[in-house]
Amino acid sequence: DTEVTQTPKHLVMGMTNKKSLKCEQHMGHRAMYWYKQKAKKPPELMFVYSYEKLSINESVPSRFSPECPNSSLLNLHLHALQPEDSALYLCASSQDQGRRYEQYFGPGTRLTVT
Amino acid sequence: KNQVEQSPQSLIILEGKNCTLQCNYTVSPFSNLRWYKQDTGRGPVSLTIMTFSENTKSNGRYTATLDADTKQSSLHITASQLSDSASYICVVSAGGTDSWGKLQFGAGTQVVVTP
Repeated sequence: DTEVTQTPKHLVMGMTNKKSLKCEQHMGHRAMYWYKQKAKKPPELMFVYSYEKLSINESVPSRFSPECPNSSLLNLHLHALQPEDSALYLCASSQDQGRRYEQYFGPGTRLTVT
Repeated sequence: KNQVEQSPQSLIILEGKNCTLQCNYTVSPFSNLRWYKQDTGRGPVSLTIMTFSENTKSNGRYTATLDADTKQSSLHITASQLSDSASYICVVSAGGTDSWGKLQFGAGTQVVVTP
């Protein structure tokens, strides 16, 4: 099973709302990633978790707060977002963090901030 | 400046025809190059991954080539099908001790296959 699942598929939220995105994998992967993708642009890395610890934060604003409760789950907590944060949020996982490892992407959550 | 450049930006091909997409990169040192297929509104799906010692790799009707000397790669789609309509993204991972392997994404080539 090489599947990464993400919920919800679509999310509409106001600028004062608090919401969370969820990502799950059962491949035994120890590295998990959050990417943000704007329309017709390549994905941009946001965060990397390795062995359930935050490894990389690409200078992401604090209104995005990642969490890795266990090795299979990755959450992205959203608070006080701006309309320009509307995008497709992709989760990915790999066997380990590093250049040798294939990253498997989930289908994404389409976020609209109103 | 993006370290991974793709061409063309978009192309339209007739069902059953072949096409070739290009990728040039300046990432150095180089570790590996990947081609992903991304359907609209979906996550990227890996097609191939090649290290510098590999010149060609196939996945069904998709064949990728790599020339690490000239820092160029191509993706050839044979006998295109309507389901091949998607964005094809070239992704390069850096090598060397200073890099953990962050993926450098190209902007993608949007392929439309028409009946």
